[in-house]
Amino acid sequence: LAKTTQPISMDSYEGQEVNITCSHNNIATNDYITWYQQFPSQGPRFIIQGYKTKVTNEVASLFIPADRKSSTLSLPRVSLSDTAVYYCLVKRGNTPLVFGKGTRLSVIA
Amino acid sequence: EAGVVQSPRYKIIEKKQPVAFWCNPISGHNTLYWYLQNLGQGPELLIRYENEEAVDDSQLPKDRFSAERLKGVDSTLKIQPAELGDSAVYLCASSLDPVSKLFFGSGTQLSVL
Repeated sequence: LAKTTQPISMDSYEGQEVNITCSHNNIATNDYITWYQQFPSQGPRFIIQGYKTKVTNEVASLFIPADRKSSTLSLPRVSLSDTAVYYCLVKRGNTPLVFGKGTRLSVIA
Repeated sequence: EAGVVQSPRYKIIEKKQPVAFWCNPISGHNTLYWYLQNLGQGPELLIRYENEEAVDDSQLPKDRFSAERLKGVDSTLKIQPAELGDSAVYLCASSLDPVSKLFFGSGTQLSVL
């Protein structure tokens, strides 16, 4: 399965846009990129998934360049409640998700 | 709609004691997962069920861990005997099928003293 690399931690002030970039150099043709969010004392929660170009939902946007070797999760105008760990994962068919350490985002007032 | 329900929320036991965790997945979800999460780490897969069949249990330490999913709905994960290193959060997740997104429960935090 394609290994992902993302920053260990990031800090941001409230109201700013946050972009978390993930690299997945060995992504395969049929793989999807998926992101999960985890708050303290809770299980991870699905945020967004994409294959290429741009995907947007009510929570975030996901940008995937043509070569698909990286992706960027964009959180618009973060608030304190967006403080969480964000996991970038590669989804391959029916293979179970493999989680890394994720990116710990701290939003500061 | 109720999410994935796990119990207990917290469990404290002494080493060498047995412990069991229970999970009730979202209704209609055929795929069920047990993950283990250590502090500061991402979840690690222990076992995956398709209905009542364990289809991926290569990461389950079978000398002390066991799991079952009778009737393809609820699932139980057991540790016997527990060791100090088993202290972690045990997460259950379910999905409609193996390719759909996962829904996680809040987990059971186990402390082995």
